[in-house]
Amino acid sequence: LAKTTQPISMDSYEGQEVNITCSHNNIATNDYITWYQQFPSQGPRFIIQGYKTKVTNEVASLFIPADRKSSTLSLPRVSLSDTAVYYCLVGAINEAAGNKLTFGGGTRVLVKP
Amino acid sequence: DSGVTQTPKHLITATGQRVTLRCSPRSGDLSVYWYQQSLDQGLQFLIQYYNGEERAKGNILERFSAQQFPDLHSELNLSSLELGDSALYFCASSVGLGVMSGANVLTFGAGSRLTVL
Repeated sequence: LAKTTQPISMDSYEGQEVNITCSHNNIATNDYITWYQQFPSQGPRFIIQGYKTKVTNEVASLFIPADRKSSTLSLPRVSLSDTAVYYCLVGAINEAAGNKLTFGGGTRVLVKP
Repeated sequence: DSGVTQTPKHLITATGQRVTLRCSPRSGDLSVYWYQQSLDQGLQFLIQYYNGEERAKGNILERFSAQQFPDLHSELNLSSLELGDSALYFCASSVGLGVMSGANVLTFGAGSRLTVL
């Protein structure tokens, strides 16, 4: 499973765009990039997943450059309720070895009024 | 409601005791994962089961064990409990291996908060 590196924390203000970059230099060909959001005392929640280029859904956008060694989660016009920890996961299902899906430390995003 | 059900939601017990945490995966999901999250810590992967078989093991202590039953629900058994075992224990499920190769979207339950006194 590819090791990921994210900033420990980020502060933002309501209405701003938040961009969180995750580095994954040893990403493998079959690996997907998945982002989760976790509120205090709750289980993580899937936000978005991508393999290459750009993916957008109703919640966020995910930008992946051609070399796939990093990815950026973009949260448009954040609100106070977007204050949470955001985790980047890189990996693929491996039928032989199972899937450990190890979460890194995540990025703690604080949205201020 | 994520579709993943964990019981109990809260559990308080004493050191040396044994507890069992239960997880019912989302309908149709064959894989179950267990994670431990201590206060202000990240999620530590413990173990994964797929269709009743253990498929991956993380930093799970020997005092801990798990299994997945034929109806796909899973139980995490924690024994000889220590103060340091106090944590949130999350169960997650996914469709499973071999489906949408590469996709690894997990659906998490609300967690079981274990307090060891």
